[in-house]
Amino acid sequence: EAGVAQSPRYKIIEKRQSVAFWCNPISGHATLYWYQQILGQGPKLLIQFQNNGVVDDSQLPKDRFSAERLKGVDSTLKIQPAKLEDSAVYLCASSSPVGEGYTFGSGTRLTVV
Amino acid sequence: GENVEQHPSTLSVQEGDSAVIKCTYSDSASNYFPWYKQELGKGPQLIIDIRSNVGEKKDQRIAVTLNKTAKHFSLHITETQPEDSAVYFCAVPSNAGGTSYGKLTFGQGTILTVHP
Repeated sequence: EAGVAQSPRYKIIEKRQSVAFWCNPISGHATLYWYQQILGQGPKLLIQFQNNGVVDDSQLPKDRFSAERLKGVDSTLKIQPAKLEDSAVYLCASSSPVGEGYTFGSGTRLTVV
Repeated sequence: GENVEQHPSTLSVQEGDSAVIKCTYSDSASNYFPWYKQELGKGPQLIIDIRSNVGEKKDQRIAVTLNKTAKHFSLHITETQPEDSAVYFCAVPSNAGGTSYGKLTFGQGTILTVHP
């Protein structure tokens, strides 16, 4: 079984620029998550999708972050404009509705300079 | 919301020794308790989990124990090996939107170093 695919692996941008991350979950997993992991901390949920609907986006900074999940499969997370404090690893995860637990991708490491 | 405290933040052991990491949580309704291992440059990987109808679960050299009354659960690694060196996270879910496993609240992480 293929894992959760994410791209790019690394991204360096200047503050106030925009950036987008892509995620392809495990086939058949209805639930998709985006987490932000700041260096030295545990991951923190940004947004959760069930199929193509948003379940929880309470911790998503909506003034600059947006996410979508087209056709209930792939997802993109966008930041516009980026701030220095957005430097982090952005992790995508998916889970089966029958409760297999999360599978995380390798993440995208974002550096904002 | 859920509050998860993980200790210790760093743990250094000699190869062959045991390692124990503990997590406490605040929401007594939680009923699923996973542990993740994160190696450098990779995403967290589920290594073991326990559900609230059991008190202990083992998988070869790793085990998880759960005390629901005290609201804590622990990861035990026996006969540690250098390849066990990584960051370990506990997590506690809150079921959101009717999904089986929703938002995970993670502990702060424990950096485990196993010296040969």
